[in-house]
Amino acid sequence: DTGVSQDPRHKITKRGQNVTFRCDPISEHNRLYWYRQTLGQGPEFLTYFQNEAQLEKSRLLSDRFSAERPKGSFSTLEIQRTEQGDSAMYLCASSPVTQGANTEAFFGQGTRLTVV
Amino acid sequence: AQSVTQLDSQVPVFEEAPVELRCNYSSSVSVYLFWYVQYPNQGLQLLLKYLSGSTLVKGINGFEAEFNKSQTSFHLRKPSVHISDTAEYFCAVSELWAAGNKLTFGGGTRVLVKP
Repeated sequence: DTGVSQDPRHKITKRGQNVTFRCDPISEHNRLYWYRQTLGQGPEFLTYFQNEAQLEKSRLLSDRFSAERPKGSFSTLEIQRTEQGDSAMYLCASSPVTQGANTEAFFGQGTRLTVV
Repeated sequence: AQSVTQLDSQVPVFEEAPVELRCNYSSSVSVYLFWYVQYPNQGLQLLLKYLSGSTLVKGINGFEAEFNKSQTSFHLRKPSVHISDTAEYFCAVSELWAAGNKLTFGGGTRVLVKP
């Protein structure tokens, strides 16, 4: 297993366009997370899935953002009508589910979005 | 809700000198604590974590951190840094027993190791 994979690594788009990012987690990891990291800041939680169910969404996830994990494997994050404020690094992470203990989240290399 | 404060946004340090990165957190419930490192244009890599037990935690690459419950701190240290330790370091917490184990991160500390 090569770890968490994100595609594309970089995306430049014009304001108002829609973009979609893909994340392939480590196989057999039930949980998948999306975070957003703006320049000079720490990552901020956006949403997470356990298998195919989206269990929590941050208030940061406006109605222009939608995330899916249709078969409980890969996930997509779509941003509609992009704005300049959406420019950021979008990080995906995955972790297994373990009863009664916290487990490490493994991060991908991220997709850097630039909205011009 | 939790919050994490990393008191230093940037720490310059000479090669082979010690370094300490400060992290304080605030939470109404018990938390797990983590330090992650991010190299340029890379994702985050776990350095170490505190879940329970000994308050001194040893991680990869010679890093260690000490959990201080009374001061709500989890400072990261390395006795002798290398040029390759130049990176950004993030302290993070997650709620004990919370579903999902989502992480709340601090703003990061950029470490620049000078020869």
